[in-house]
Amino acid sequence: NAGVTQTPKFQVLKTGQSMTLQCAQDMNHNSMYWYRQDPGMGLRLIYYSASEGTTDKGEVPNGYNVSRLNKREFSLRLESAAPSQTSVYFCASSENGGIGTGELFFGEGSRLTVL
Amino acid sequence: AQSVAQPEDQVNVAEGNPLTVKCTYSVSGNPYLFWYVQYPNRGLQFLLKYITGDNLVKGSYGFEAEFNKSQTSFHLKKPSALVSDSALYFCAVRDVRRDDKIIFGKGTRLHILP
Repeated sequence: NAGVTQTPKFQVLKTGQSMTLQCAQDMNHNSMYWYRQDPGMGLRLIYYSASEGTTDKGEVPNGYNVSRLNKREFSLRLESAAPSQTSVYFCASSENGGIGTGELFFGEGSRLTVL
Repeated sequence: AQSVAQPEDQVNVAEGNPLTVKCTYSVSGNPYLFWYVQYPNRGLQFLLKYITGDNLVKGSYGFEAEFNKSQTSFHLKKPSALVSDSALYFCAVRDVRRDDKIIFGKGTRLHILP
């Protein structure tokens, strides 16, 4: 059971380049999330999806877009990367979106550096 | 808007002593509260949660947390610290009134001194 899988694990971009972080979960969870982790800032919510077909902004959505492709997959896109987006990105999923009380299951993280 | 505060960036405890990592929260409805732990270069792992019922909840690795509604707090505790407990700890709150938005605190680094 793979749980939550993120790709790539490491990426270096130049300012202005675009890229997509992929996330897939095999636990049949309804809710999926993207967070970024920066020193001293903790985890900040970028976007989330409470169910297939819906997405909502989190705390720091500017500069990002997301797609909930199906129940399993939730991708995060940087259209024009900026150095301020250098961070570690975590995808997570949770069961019973909207009505439940499930905890988050996290991927291993994707370390992105924007030069 | 929901929020979580972890007032201590770092907590140092001698091995064998009790430990407490503090968390306070703000949410419009009834809170669903969680603690997670992160070891170096790893993702976050779930420790425990409070949904309803007994204010003292028990979780993994001997950790427990006490929910206090009047003080809007959810402090993490362990009776006897181990060096292996050294890690980064995050408190989180879920607002099920707002489509499952889950917000984290900034984290507290726990150092257990041998």
